[in-house]
Amino acid sequence: EVLLQQSGPELVKPGASVKIPCKASGYTFTDYNMDWVKQSHGKSLEWIGDINPNNGGTIYNQKFKGKATLTVDKSSSTAYMELRSLTSEDTAVYYCARWGLLDYFDYWGQGTTLTVSS
Amino acid sequence: DIQMTQSPASLSASVGETVTITCRASENIYSYLAWYQQKQGKSPQLLVYNAKTLAEGVPSRFSGSGSGTQFSLKINSLQPEDFGSYYCQHHYGTPLTFGAGTKLELK
Repeated sequence: EVLLQQSGPELVKPGASVKIPCKASGYTFTDYNMDWVKQSHGKSLEWIGDINPNNGGTIYNQKFKGKATLTVDKSSSTAYMELRSLTSEDTAVYYCARWGLLDYFDYWGQGTTLTVSS
Repeated sequence: DIQMTQSPASLSASVGETVTITCRASENIYSYLAWYQQKQGKSPQLLVYNAKTLAEGVPSRFSGSGSGTQFSLKINSLQPEDFGSYYCQHHYGTPLTFGAGTKLELK
């Protein structure tokens, strides 16, 4: 069974950084790209970027360049997204999602709720 | 960036009714469109990809159609578990973008 396990809620102060993990299981981690999606409260979904776990190659939404950094640890089948210089605009639920071989998100993590507040 | 315009923003319907949600792309995306369902407090789940192909396990009362810039998701004979939010998303290059969503509520 494919599972993408994300961490629990995060409360972080403005200006700080946070690194959110997404641990994959049930498939060969390096066979599928991993993407990240932001959902602000009550709003739609925004694509942040994509990482190829095989070679670490990344593609970012221009809107999130400088804000988000995607990395992977192949030894633990874990993808990470680091968000820096956090503001209240970064308060949202962040999902990791596997990019399927036919070009769609076929599996999603349960989401990590990030709250940026002093 | 390709803009995805989804309508209606909200929809009230009863169990057993048939509803249609539409999605318009700002440029030709051929059939590179997916639909997702999201229930309150849960992550989105894939319903349809390549505009009209049902994902595994999705009931046949769901159907997707369209190509180019105009797409639709039709749900026949609504069931209680169908209420929630629906999003379209193009996958014709990056950045990937989603529609604003349609909230389907029980009348």
